[in-house]
Amino acid sequence: EAQVTQNPRYLITVTGKKLTVTCSQNMNHEYMSWYRQDPGLGLRQIYYSMNVEVTDKGDVPEGYKVSRKEKRNFPLILESPSPNQTSLYFCASSFQTTGSEAFFGQGTRLTVV
Amino acid sequence: SQQGEEDPQALSIQEGENATMNCSYKTSINNLQWYRQNSGRGLVHLILIRSNEREKHSGRLRVTLDTSKKSSSLLITASRAADTASYFCATVDSWGKLQFGAGTQVVVTP
Repeated sequence: EAQVTQNPRYLITVTGKKLTVTCSQNMNHEYMSWYRQDPGLGLRQIYYSMNVEVTDKGDVPEGYKVSRKEKRNFPLILESPSPNQTSLYFCASSFQTTGSEAFFGQGTRLTVV
Repeated sequence: SQQGEEDPQALSIQEGENATMNCSYKTSINNLQWYRQNSGRGLVHLILIRSNEREKHSGRLRVTLDTSKKSSSLLITASRAADTASYFCATVDSWGKLQFGAGTQVVVTP
């Protein structure tokens, strides 16, 4: 089954404790991206990757890191989480064409206390 | 920054009625896509309309695009309770970047 898998689905952590949210897709998509969703703000792009070893900042990259060592995986790293990073996070992937639909993971609800 | 802005923010209708929501955007696009999100879950792609298209249909969905006004509309005909969800428009630029609006929350009551 074609899918984007995020883990964990829920995470409560403390300020400053490094964490990683994993994202994996099985569709051989070149393009992967991370979004955060906050009430009233829709989805805002954090980072994206056009292919292996190619990553770039989205609209709200501060406080986040990513890596793309393999085509299927695109982990999101919070080196020192802060309460303002409490949010719902989504990973998405698509083929690297402008006419391609994006497939989303089920989301990771992160709370930083 | 958000590219698309949906209107209205929330919409409440009864089963059988039509639901219309609009999306306005600021810069040129390659295509525009509509997505649906059930509460707290991942987004699901509904329909894509290219910049050289004016109207597209998919089942009970009808999408229009007016590039001169930089706007799009999504019409859901004969709404059902199962259509209750948030709907997002997303613009795609020539690089393939997706930018989402804040969404329209639709509630369909039986």
